Amino acid sequence: EAQVTQNPRYLITVTGKKLTVTCSQNMNHEYMSWYRQDPGLGLRQIYYSMNVEVTDKGDVPEGYKVSRKEKRNFPLILESPSPNQTSLYFCASSSPGGPVYEQYFGPGTRLTVT
Amino acid sequence: AQSVSQHNHHVILSEAASLELGCNYSYGGTVNLFWYVQYPGQHLQLLLKYFSGDPLVKGIKGFEAEFIKSKFSFNLRKPSVQWSDTAEYFCASRTLSGGYNKLIFGAGTRLAVHP
Repeated sequence: EAQVTQNPRYLITVTGKKLTVTCSQNMNHEYMSWYRQDPGLGLRQIYYSMNVEVTDKGDVPEGYKVSRKEKRNFPLILESPSPNQTSLYFCASSSPGGPVYEQYFGPGTRLTVT
Repeated sequence: AQSVSQHNHHVILSEAASLELGCNYSYGGTVNLFWYVQYPGQHLQLLLKYFSGDPLVKGIKGFEAEFIKSKFSFNLRKPSVQWSDTAEYFCASRTLSGGYNKLIFGAGTRLAVHP
């Protein structure tokens, strides 16, 4: 089954404690992206990756890092989480370009930073 | 900057009522438009998309949307909603940014359908 998986699904942590949210896709997609979803703001892109070792900032990258060492994995790293990073996070993947551009979303990770 | 606007943030309907959710985009060039749905506790799923051709697009679960270029709009419609349509709905536009495709999302519309 084609899917995007994220772990963990729920996470409560304290300010300053480094954490990683994993994302994996099994569709051989080149393009992967991280979004955060906040009430009234919709989804905002944090980082994206065009392919292995190719990443770039999205609209709200401050406080986040990513890496793309393998095509299927795209972890999101919060080196020193702060309460304003409390949010719902989604990973997505797709094949760039082409006539059918559809992003497949993971189930989401709800992060609370106290 | 390109943007997508959804003017209705919360909509409450009774079952069997008709639904129309507004979506306006700002980009004046070639656009590809999408509606995604997020059921409670679930991830986003694609409802329908417009790339070209017939401006009336039919999606899953009885939803449709009409692309009106002159109004920069892509409103979502359903003639008769069900309780199971309770969800949050996001309009999105694909644009080219820095040589890659990027999705810009609206703020979302939360729909509650009462039995």
